[in-house]
Amino acid sequence: GAVVSQHPSRVICKSGTSVKIECRSLDFQATTMFWYRQFPKQSLMLMATSNEGSKATYEQGVEKDKFLINHASLTLSTLTVTSAHPEDSSFYICSVWTRGYTQYFGPGTRLTVL
Amino acid sequence: AQTVTQSQPEMSVQEAETVTLSCTYDTSENNYYLFWYKQPPSRQMILVIRQEAYKQQNATENRFSVNFQKAAKSFSLKISDSQLGDTAMYFCAFMKHGVNTGTASKLTFGTGTRLQVTL
Repeated sequence: GAVVSQHPSRVICKSGTSVKIECRSLDFQATTMFWYRQFPKQSLMLMATSNEGSKATYEQGVEKDKFLINHASLTLSTLTVTSAHPEDSSFYICSVWTRGYTQYFGPGTRLTVL
Repeated sequence: AQTVTQSQPEMSVQEAETVTLSCTYDTSENNYYLFWYKQPPSRQMILVIRQEAYKQQNATENRFSVNFQKAAKSFSLKISDSQLGDTAMYFCAFMKHGVNTGTASKLTFGTGTRLQVTL
């Protein structure tokens, strides 16, 4: 069964609005989660590392004020895309890191900004 | 910094045949992990197989096996008895061992190989 869930699976919003994506770890205590972005027919691009109880670490070139990450518990991390614009349309995927040095991925969220 | 290279953007194989997907990587690390993930049309990333660099024995998972050549920094995936359900994008990925045991590490992905299994 799934070990990581994401909600919503699809979201369509108007330009200028904010969208929150939830990532839940169902089977593991997730001290660390990762957020990725994937454009069509491309690989996954790491956006940030989400650590429970502390600030996220963002990859170079990722705007932290644009992509707000909150990891307030061992089972939930959220990604908020603030003031979304059409160029933010993409597929967003989260993953949970386990002490067995394996990452398990959520099913992804397709964001479309009109 | 680590890099992962998948030189085959697309491959095709007939059902029941065997196919090998290539992956090379570059790192100065000695302790790391290598992975193959599968992304079918649903876009759910699924772990196919995992290899620890300190293990000489190649990992196997049912029809999936790897050829891990540490000195050559090569990590190919062999799929035996290919099935239609194997049609997907396959990503090779690298993860270095954390500074301390239990320290999370991020994955570095290759660009992927699109595999089509045909009748």
